[in-house]
Amino acid sequence: DVKVTQSSRYLVKRTGEKVFLECVQDMDHENMFWYRQDPGLGLRLIYFSYDVKMKEKGDIPEGYSVSREKKERFSLILESASTNQTSMYLCASSFFPRVREQFFGPGTRLTVL
Amino acid sequence: AQTVTQSQPEMSVQEAETVTLSCTYDTSESDYYLFWYKQPPSRQMILVIRQEAYKQQNATENRFSVNFQKAAKSFSLKISDSQLGDAAMYFCAYRRINFGNEKLTFGTGTRLTIIP
Repeated sequence: DVKVTQSSRYLVKRTGEKVFLECVQDMDHENMFWYRQDPGLGLRLIYFSYDVKMKEKGDIPEGYSVSREKKERFSLILESASTNQTSMYLCASSFFPRVREQFFGPGTRLTVL
Repeated sequence: AQTVTQSQPEMSVQEAETVTLSCTYDTSESDYYLFWYKQPPSRQMILVIRQEAYKQQNATENRFSVNFQKAAKSFSLKISDSQLGDAAMYFCAYRRINFGNEKLTFGTGTRLTIIP
C-alpha cells in the first residue's frame, strides 16, 4: 500500500515564526503536492513538484515556499507565519506517467496565533 | 481556467438508502479525468471512483457509481445501500490529461451524513 506521511497532525505556531511541514512517501512517486483545505473552499494547490529540486507554483503560492532535496520528501515552508495561514495542509503524491490518482497524507492542522 | 462546482454543502441519507451527490465542471478540454474523493472524519483522503472523459460508459465501484454527462459537464456520484462508514466529506475533482499537467481542481465538497 502507498503510504504518505506528514510530520505532525497538529501544530501551533506564533505569528512571524518560520514553519516547516514535512511530507514523506514510500512508493518512489515522482510527483508530490501540497494543498491547503479550508471550509467552503475545498482544496487549493499551493505548490507541486515533478522531480527532485523541481517545483512549480499552484494556485495560492504566496507566503509559501517548498523544498524537494530527495525524491521521497517534500517540505512546505512558511517563511513568516501569519494568522491567515491557519488551515489544514494536505500532502499528496502520484506516479508518473501512469497517473491514475493522487495518494494523500493524513493532513496537518496548523494554527497560527 | 477549469472550475468544479458542488452545489450541495451537506446531504443526509437513511442507512441502506441511495443518495446522489452532484458535481458540475467547466472546461474547454475534450479529454480529461474526473474523480470523486472521500475524506472521512479521520481526514485521510481516499479515491472513490475515477472516470476518463473519453469513455462513454459510466464507472462503477461496488456500491458507488457515477452518472457522467459530458455534454452537460455533469458528474454525479450515486451511493447505493448507504452504510455508516460512508459518512464523510466528498470532493469532486478534475484533471487535464495533458502531459506534465498534474494539477487537480477540486470542488468545495459535500458533507454526507448517514442516519441510522
